[in-house]
Amino acid sequence: EIVLTQSPGTLSLSPGERAILSCRASQSVRSSYLAWYQQKPGQAPRLLIYDASSRATGIPDRFSGSGSGTDFTLTISRLEPEDFAVYYCQQYGRSPRTFGQGTTVEIK
Amino acid sequence: QLQLQESGPGLVKPSETLSLTCAVSGGSISSINYYWAWIRQPPGKGPEWIGTIYYTGNTYYNPSLRGRVTMSVDTSKSHFSLNLRSVTAADTARYYCARGAKVEWLVSSAWFDPWGQGTLVTVSS
Repeated sequence: EIVLTQSPGTLSLSPGERAILSCRASQSVRSSYLAWYQQKPGQAPRLLIYDASSRATGIPDRFSGSGSGTDFTLTISRLEPEDFAVYYCQQYGRSPRTFGQGTTVEIK
Repeated sequence: QLQLQESGPGLVKPSETLSLTCAVSGGSISSINYYWAWIRQPPGKGPEWIGTIYYTGNTYYNPSLRGRVTMSVDTSKSHFSLNLRSVTAADTARYYCARGAKVEWLVSSAWFDPWGQGTLVTVSS
């Protein structure tokens, strides 16, 4: 099983700042088969990024994904008030599909 | 716009079977382009993939659930279901159904989009 470790656990930033979230895999993720999700309190996760760097439909371009192998990054270029949430990465290169434990982006 | 809605008991006794159904609307459950999945999330933790089913009935399960899981699909009713046997308190979680992307050369679902709103299931006597 591929274990995904996200860091930091919590990121305290102000609106307008850049957020950089990390997701590290315990083994190489085939073909960059990695997705990112955003979850707000009381809501289901929402897909942001798939295939490591492709934005899902309707996702603003301030969200970008990069990386390959074992190291992946989600960048939010300028935080908007609605971006403060929990973010999860998920790999689908190997079964079982696994998720990271999440990074909370909170208002500083 | 595709919508998924979970339904089932919110409270299950230890050692019994958890049974949930996901109703799919606004799209075809028989689409060759998608899978259908169950994912759960214990309070305060990250999501955990439970399993995936294709409209043909092919299933893919998380080995961590040690043979306790069965998924089925009813295309005539446009829904799919989850049965989790011999539950314990560790199975307490919010259970989501979701559509899984189908990617060429990849067995089972890729990313999940969209998700249902989820249903909280508590295991307690």
